[in-house]
Amino acid sequence: NAGVMQNPRHLVRRRGQEARLRCSPMKGHSHVYWYRQLPEEGLKFMVYLQKENIIDESGMPKERFSAEFPKEGPSILRIQQVVRGDSAAYFCASSPSGRYEKLFFGSGTQLSVL
Amino acid sequence: EDQVTQSPEALRLQEGESSSLNCSYTVSGLRGLFWYRQDPGKGPEFLFTLYSAGEEKEKERLKATLTKKESFLHITAPKPEDSATYLCAVQARGGATNKLIFGTGTLLAVQP
Repeated sequence: NAGVMQNPRHLVRRRGQEARLRCSPMKGHSHVYWYRQLPEEGLKFMVYLQKENIIDESGMPKERFSAEFPKEGPSILRIQQVVRGDSAAYFCASSPSGRYEKLFFGSGTQLSVL
Repeated sequence: EDQVTQSPEALRLQEGESSSLNCSYTVSGLRGLFWYRQDPGKGPEFLFTLYSAGEEKEKERLKATLTKKESFLHITAPKPEDSATYLCAVQARGGATNKLIFGTGTLLAVQP
């Protein structure tokens, strides 16, 4: 039973380009969460999605960031017009339901903006 | 504002030298407190969930305890393979979300 799969593991972008990060949840999980880990900081919640719905995006920057979890396929975190401050590790997690329970994390995507 | 503070930031132990990691929290209403382990280049791996003051959980050399203001992760006779960053997180009551508020972690190094 594969865990949470994230790709790519490493992504390098130049300022102004777009970054697309993909996350496939564990089999049987329909709830996906995105977290960002900046250097010297803890994991910060960004967004919580169910299939085709955004449930909580209170941690998402207001501009340039968007997330989706379509009926078919992985969840996508998109960052438009990246800036150096977007450089971070982005982790996806999944759970079978939205109740208070443990999350299963992927290995993350390390985004570097040149 | 809900907040989690972990101490120390880093801890170096000799193999077999027991110690404790601290997690202090302030939250409007605690739904659950979580401990995760994170190895370099990996995502956090779940260890324990604690729900109410007085609760304790154990797994091999690790034991987690909870009070109304803090949690401790006790490590008994650690081995080098216990070296990792240990993360504490809380989940607040209210709202429809399952989101976690994380501390910045304690980096544990166990030397043989």
